[in-house]
Amino acid sequence: QKEVEQDPGPLSVPEGAIVSLNCTYSNSAFQYFMWYRQYSRKGPELLMYTYSSGNKEDGRFTAQVDKSSKYISLFIRDSQPSDSATYLCAMSAYAGGTSYGKLTFGQGTILTVHP
Amino acid sequence: DGGITQSPKYLFRKEGQNVTLSCEQNLNHDAMYWYRQDPGQGLRLIYYSQIVNDFQKGDIAEGYSVSREKKESFPLTVTSAQKNPTAFYLCASIGNRDGKYEQYFGPGTRLTVT
Repeated sequence: QKEVEQDPGPLSVPEGAIVSLNCTYSNSAFQYFMWYRQYSRKGPELLMYTYSSGNKEDGRFTAQVDKSSKYISLFIRDSQPSDSATYLCAMSAYAGGTSYGKLTFGQGTILTVHP
Repeated sequence: DGGITQSPKYLFRKEGQNVTLSCEQNLNHDAMYWYRQDPGQGLRLIYYSQIVNDFQKGDIAEGYSVSREKKESFPLTVTSAQKNPTAFYLCASIGNRDGKYEQYFGPGTRLTVT
């Protein structure tokens, strides 16, 4: 079993829809939870990160972490064609200081938002 | 890319040749990472380094080697022992700026071995 599981999709939605992307994980030591967006043939770009449980909002994006269920989500409101990309979740057991440890990634979900 | 560069963007090699991929950052980040990305498999960790002159194996280190002689630089060598070297290679760095966690990826190097 992989440490981080992510449904690869693909996911296709109409413009303006609310998109929900999810990951589950098995390692209880994970403390930092990240979401990345990756356009074709480019490096991933960090969208948001959350420390421990809770919600974080940034514009049209909301990240949620439920450590009791080992489940994280990214919601995209009012989705746009420019949101079409691969979305990757990643997790780390980093607990502060300069010992950052490993980032473990999900498979990535391919999202297409059509006009 | 936030101050982390990789070169070259595309690389073509013949089977049996070693090849070195460059990764440089000017962010003063302590930690640097190498990942490999294959279609449908997400990112898999090859090696990482949290401090100069020290590095650790990731999940798929066999057939690869690294060095960290300077904080800014973390080159990856793909040796002839790597059975399936054709892939998209991504370098990343992590650090702390004004108490805030900071992380960037480079633009990647696409390696094709024939």
